[in-house]
Amino acid sequence: QSALTQPASVSGSPGQSITISCTGTSSDVGGYNYVSWYRQHPGKAPKLIIYDVTNRPSGVSNRFSGSKSGNTASLTISGLQAEDEADYYCSSYTSGSTLVVFGGGTKLTVL
Amino acid sequence: EVQLLESGGGLVQPGGSLRLSCAASGFTFSTNAMAWVRQAPGKGLEWVSAISGSGGSRYYADSVRGRFTISRDNSKNTVYLQMNSLRAEDTAVYYCARRPDGGWRFDLWGRGSLVTVSS
Repeated sequence: QSALTQPASVSGSPGQSITISCTGTSSDVGGYNYVSWYRQHPGKAPKLIIYDVTNRPSGVSNRFSGSKSGNTASLTISGLQAEDEADYYCSSYTSGSTLVVFGGGTKLTVL
Repeated sequence: EVQLLESGGGLVQPGGSLRLSCAASGFTFSTNAMAWVRQAPGKGLEWVSAISGSGGSRYYADSVRGRFTISRDNSKNTVYLQMNSLRAEDTAVYYCARRPDGGWRFDLWGRGSLVTVSS
């Protein structure tokens, strides 16, 4: 069982917006602004798309945005495109002995 | 080109050892913290270990502490993961990743190296 909880799957049609949640505790998501999001296409390495809750790395589309409320972080993808179909993982720094925890991943299907 | 390239994966018997290497290029290696993240077949991501730019600070997940050792050679732009007492549950693709600014995000990833622990 992963330390952070994500929905197993979400779906949306091209052009729509979707949101993926990532729920932790006050020891990780709720306690620090070190939440990151990664996109992973099948057989490929993960790619950073959001860091420190709301920041986008250079080159990442502004269709991706992040937020946090309490112990839950969220990733919103607007204007869905076929290329967005992938697995998405959240991660957070944690005060536990394992310093970084990941969510179990969410499979996004673009209908 | 900015990239990370892992090597050293393969098939090993339970209880055996293996050393992974990750060669960095295209950026100032010594000023960047580095990390290893693994992914078991069909499963999610799991952080394994991290090391500071100087190598003076090292961190491990509970699942590998005492069995794995992370190190780096800044003269060779390479980070290593020595894995001992390997178990079947260590079977995974191991990714090398860069931790910029000593933060807790991974902004550059290698293609991964498959480690299979099986008799």
